Amino acid sequence: KAGVTQTPRYLIKTRGQQVTLSCSPISGHRSVSWYQQTPGQGLQFLFEYFSETQRNKGNFPGRFSGRQFSNSRSEMNVSTLELGDSALYLCASSPEGGPGGDTQYFGPGTRLTVL
Amino acid sequence: AQTVTQSQPEMSVQEAETVTLSCTYDTSENNYYLFWYKQPPSRQMILVIRQEAYKQQNATENRFSVNFQKAAKSFSLKISDSQLGDTAMYFCAFMKGNDKIIFGKGTRLHILP
Repeated sequence: KAGVTQTPRYLIKTRGQQVTLSCSPISGHRSVSWYQQTPGQGLQFLFEYFSETQRNKGNFPGRFSGRQFSNSRSEMNVSTLELGDSALYLCASSPEGGPGGDTQYFGPGTRLTVL
Repeated sequence: AQTVTQSQPEMSVQEAETVTLSCTYDTSENNYYLFWYKQPPSRQMILVIRQEAYKQQNATENRFSVNFQKAAKSFSLKISDSQLGDTAMYFCAFMKGNDKIIFGKGTRLHILP
């Protein structure tokens, strides 16, 4: 099976712009989670989608949003970019993400730089 | 709220040695899952090993094993016969059911030739 893919791999934006990142989960996986990774804060959970519905949400401002499509592909959007949004954004998928504690499989990430 | 603490920001060991990475967590839950993930330099994060809290037996995957002490809320990772390819950032993580996964800050491990 193909792994989790994320596009684009690198992005450079300027403050105030918006950006959309894409994640394609492993075939058959229905849960997609997004994380922000920075040197200072480490890995922080953004949100999780399951069957096109947001199931869990982290403590990020409303500028960060996401969605999931019927084929389980997911996108996250960041509006009005700030310098502090520069980070590696990781997507992870799992079969169900339910009470069984599914293992999450990570994509390579999208490196976002905000100038 | 659950927290995960990795007290060793960085470690270095010689190739072929055994190294142990520490992780403690705080939770009031009884059923949960613990993970060690590895993130090599500029490469994808991959699962090293997972442990279900209801299992008393420590998980093992080839050269990787854990010491799970539920009462002490400790979950250390032991890497035996370390190899150069083990150089990476290692993250300890906690998950309760279908709730979000919580990561520690990570331990940067250098395997020296």
